[in-house]
Amino acid sequence: DSGVTQTPKHLITATGQRVTLRCSPRSGDLSVYWYQQSLDQGLQFLIQYYNGEERAKGNILERFSAQQFPDLHSELNLSSLELGDSALYFCASSVDGATDTQYFGPGTRLTVL
Amino acid sequence: QQQVKQSPQSLIVQKGGISIINCAYENTAFDYFPWYQQFPGKGPALLIAIRPDVSEKKEGRFTISFNKSAKQFSLHIMDSQPGDSATYFCAATPWDNYGQNFVFGPGTRLSVLP
Repeated sequence: DSGVTQTPKHLITATGQRVTLRCSPRSGDLSVYWYQQSLDQGLQFLIQYYNGEERAKGNILERFSAQQFPDLHSELNLSSLELGDSALYFCASSVDGATDTQYFGPGTRLTVL
Repeated sequence: QQQVKQSPQSLIVQKGGISIINCAYENTAFDYFPWYQQFPGKGPALLIAIRPDVSEKKEGRFTISFNKSAKQFSLHIMDSQPGDSATYFCAATPWDNYGQNFVFGPGTRLSVLP
């Protein structure tokens, strides 16, 4: 158990809908990262937050957005969902947001029908 | 230039054998290279990482070899065990004290036969 929690574990929704994925980092970790893992695209970095501030942006679509709240939990919002958005979404956390160890959560499996 | 190539896609090794996974990159700004291990149904977990100021790093049965001039790095698993059966991802990012933007290889599925 990495200490990173993600909810929900599974999510099934329809095209065009909007969903919110939630992540609670390990106690004491200030940085949160979001990743998408799919069969055709592999593991892709989406975005990083550090203490509420966006720090790095990867291959995140404009339909996706994220934020980190004062209590350090983070939410990833996915809107206008398409079939191709079906994937595992992982959250990871680290202490200081620099190149230190990231601890991954168990993931949220999103299925878009 | 952002791509990290990884091979082989899958690997079958006998127990006690050596597993070798190779990665290559183009972006010379990359200077931190971690390897992640992922078991089915779990998130990736950091296994070992290297910076280009050293050519090799060893932690237990796991060794990273790094060739800066060739822009290649590899993971060696010595005395491979069935419990090592997992998917392995190499990754790369510039070393940055501000934020990270990891690029991952496509993964190698390792099966260690008992």
